[in-house]
Amino acid sequence: DAGVIQSPRHEVTEMGQEVTLRCKPISGHDYLFWYRQTMMRGLELLIYFNNNVPIDDSGMPEDRFSAKMPNASFSTLKIQPSEPRDSAVYFCASSLNQPDGYTFGSGTRLTVV
Amino acid sequence: GNSVTQMEGPVTLSEEAFLTINCTYTATGYPSLFWYVQYPGEGLQLLLKATKADDKGSNKGFEATYRKETTSFHLEKGSVQVSDSAVYFCALNSGYSTLTFGKGTMLLVSP
Repeated sequence: DAGVIQSPRHEVTEMGQEVTLRCKPISGHDYLFWYRQTMMRGLELLIYFNNNVPIDDSGMPEDRFSAKMPNASFSTLKIQPSEPRDSAVYFCASSLNQPDGYTFGSGTRLTVV
Repeated sequence: GNSVTQMEGPVTLSEEAFLTINCTYTATGYPSLFWYVQYPGEGLQLLLKATKADDKGSNKGFEATYRKETTSFHLEKGSVQVSDSAVYFCALNSGYSTLTFGKGTMLLVSP
């Protein structure tokens, strides 16, 4: 298996633009997590899905953020409109309902200018 | 709620030095405890884990012992290498599907 695949690896966008981050989890994993990592706040859980259904989105910072999982092999995290304070590394992870089974993607580094 | 506190970094060591990275936690019940490692430009990887009190997790020369009485899970390695330079995250799970992470501790090892 190729692991958790995220795209793009790097994204630079202007303030106010829409940004879409993509994630392909490991086949067969039934949990998918979106995290954000910054120097100031560390690693924050934004939202997670179980069997494609959003379970907890309490970490989503604002209504500008939305996430979807239309099927078991694909998820998106969208920011609209983007702001400079959204600049961070966004990680996707998947698991089989075992905390030690978390597999992280390589992340998307987002820069909003 | 659950929380994990790690020592602030960076921790700077010379090759072959002894490493300790402190981690303490607050949790309801009896959590499982983990150390994850993040190498530059990569995602987090599981390093080791312990699921009950007095368990010792170990991997790649790293060790950590689950101490319920002090609510701690300190990471140790007897002789670090340059290739161990990374960010280390302590984490816990108290029965749900999500992990609670500490803020991470950067380790820099020089030759």
